[in-house]
Amino acid sequence: DQQVKQNSPSLSVQEGRISILNCDYTNSMFDYFLWYKKYPAEGPTFLISISSIKDKNEDGRFTVFLNKSAKHLSLHIVPSQPGDSAVYFCAGGKGNEKLTFGTGTRLTIIP
Amino acid sequence: GAVVSQHPSWVICKSGTSVKIECRSLDFQATTMFWYRQFPKQSLMLMATSNEGSKATYEQGVEKDKFLINHASLTLSTLTVTSAHPEDSSFYICSATNSGGVTDTQYFGPGTRLTVL
Repeated sequence: DQQVKQNSPSLSVQEGRISILNCDYTNSMFDYFLWYKKYPAEGPTFLISISSIKDKNEDGRFTVFLNKSAKHLSLHIVPSQPGDSAVYFCAGGKGNEKLTFGTGTRLTIIP
Repeated sequence: GAVVSQHPSWVICKSGTSVKIECRSLDFQATTMFWYRQFPKQSLMLMATSNEGSKATYEQGVEKDKFLINHASLTLSTLTVTSAHPEDSSFYICSATNSGGVTDTQYFGPGTRLTVL
């Protein structure tokens, strides 16, 4: 039973446009969510997080939106840059417990 | 969907003892498995990459003699923390891919919480 799902394994976006990465979850006990970015042969690196009591968190070009009623979160990257090409994982967490990860979405930015 | 399990989910051990953690892919053959350690503030550190039938590739700074990894079959990889110390207490998470890491889709295990007293 996958508690965190990323239903799109891949996404291609033109440089300069907005990239929207989606994530759905089933566990209503999560009290925060995170997005990680992963380049080939490297471990995931933390990108941005959001508390479950908020519906938006913004950091530069990256914004995460949380819709608790729909159990859905999304990561918006605008404008998209070639260096954003990577695999993005969303994860849910509760307190100091372990994270639950999605399977990832490969984002390709087309120059 | 693909499932990866870890056993045990939580282990408490005395300082100086060794602990083995198993990572299994339940419904697919995992050509490559990754071991991560979850640090405070939820950052993940890749410890090593293990390919079935060959030696694991360790990341810089990870002691291979302390963290022994064995990937004996296409469905099982083990991480043994030897002579564990309190500073080794952490979550250890594995992930698996069934395509040699090419597609980057990884299925994460549920994690193992290690507490060293």
